[in-house]
Amino acid sequence: QKEVEQDPGPLSVPEGAIVSLNCTYSNSAFQYFMWYRQYSRKGPELLMYTYSSGNKEDGRFTAQVDKSSKYISLFIRDSQPSDSATYLCAMGRNRDDKIIFGKGTRLHILP
Amino acid sequence: DADVTQTPRNRITKTGKRIMLECSQTKGHDRMYWYRQDPGLGLRLIYYSFDVKDINKGEISDGYSVSRQAQAKFSLSLESAIPNQTALYFCATSDAHSTDTQYFGPGTRLTVL
Repeated sequence: QKEVEQDPGPLSVPEGAIVSLNCTYSNSAFQYFMWYRQYSRKGPELLMYTYSSGNKEDGRFTAQVDKSSKYISLFIRDSQPSDSATYLCAMGRNRDDKIIFGKGTRLHILP
Repeated sequence: DADVTQTPRNRITKTGKRIMLECSQTKGHDRMYWYRQDPGLGLRLIYYSFDVKDINKGEISDGYSVSRQAQAKFSLSLESAIPNQTALYFCATSDAHSTDTQYFGPGTRLTVL
């Protein structure tokens, strides 16, 4: 079993819809959970960061962590065509350890 | 100017050639990383360095070497390039207290014929 699993998509949704992106993981030692967004021909950039379990909201984006299920989610409300990108989950055990990325989910928001 | 720069941005080379990819950063970060990205395989860590005297192998270091010339510079070398090293290569940095918030360069697209 891979440490981090993420459906590669592509996922196509109409503009204005709520998008749900997910990752599962196997290592219960992970404490830090991140979502990176990567536009075409660009490097990834940090979108959301969560420590341990719970929810974190930033504008239209909500990151959710369920450590008991080893499952993390990113919700995008009122999706826009500009949200079309690849979203990579990432996680780490502590702030001195390397982080492990998921393979990324390609998201297309249809105008 | 970009905080993390990579040179070259694109490179086509032949099997057996030695290639160096360079990364420079102006963020003042101690930690630097090299990743490769392949379709269907995601981002995989090649090497990372927590300071100038610290170099660590990542998930897929075979066939690669690195040099941390200064705090701001971290280069990746392919001693004898092979076609399956064709990929998109990213350099990233993070500050001394975390690995979770990484800042990525624009990437180098390398093709080995």
